[in-house]
Amino acid sequence: DSGVTQTPKHLITATGQRVTLRCSPRSGDLSVYWYQQSLDQGLQFLIQYYNGEERAKGNILERFSAQQFPDLHSELNLSSLELGDSALYFCASGGGMADTQYFGPGTRLTVL
Amino acid sequence: EDKVVQSPLSLVVHEGDTVTLNCSYEVTNFRSLLWYKQEKKAPTFLFMLTSSGIEKKSGRLSSILDKKELFSILNITATQTGDSAIYLCAVEASNTGKLIFGQGTTLQVKP
Repeated sequence: DSGVTQTPKHLITATGQRVTLRCSPRSGDLSVYWYQQSLDQGLQFLIQYYNGEERAKGNILERFSAQQFPDLHSELNLSSLELGDSALYFCASGGGMADTQYFGPGTRLTVL
Repeated sequence: EDKVVQSPLSLVVHEGDTVTLNCSYEVTNFRSLLWYKQEKKAPTFLFMLTSSGIEKKSGRLSSILDKKELFSILNITATQTGDSAIYLCAVEASNTGKLIFGQGTTLQVKP
């Protein structure tokens, strides 16, 4: 158990819908990272927040957005969902701006 | 374009064998290289390497980085069935923490 929690574990929804994935970092960690893992793309970095501020952006679609709240938990919002958005979404946390990252258990999103 | 390439993509060995997994990279503003083990769900952290030539060791696993030749290896000695997993190599670019992952090596250890 890494200490990073993610909810929900599974999410099934329809195309065109919007969902919110939630992540609570390990106690004391200020950085939160979001990743998408699909069968054909492997693990892809989406976005990083550090102490509430966006720090780095990766291959994140415009339909996706994220934020980190004052209590350091983070949410990833996915809108106008497409079949291709079906994937495992991982959150990871780290102590500093660039520190060892510990992954949460992931949220499996299925878009039908 | 930044990239991380792992080889082999898959490997089948028998218990007790020693395996070497490879990771090569081309990343601007390299900061560190990390190895993760992924079983059914989330990747779990194994090693972080920042300096060339210094071996990191944890039990039967060890890893080393060569920053001149831009590669790293992960060794597993006396493999066990519990070592069966996908091993991911990732390179951290600059100081943002952004990780660029390789495709992974799927290791299967047979009894």
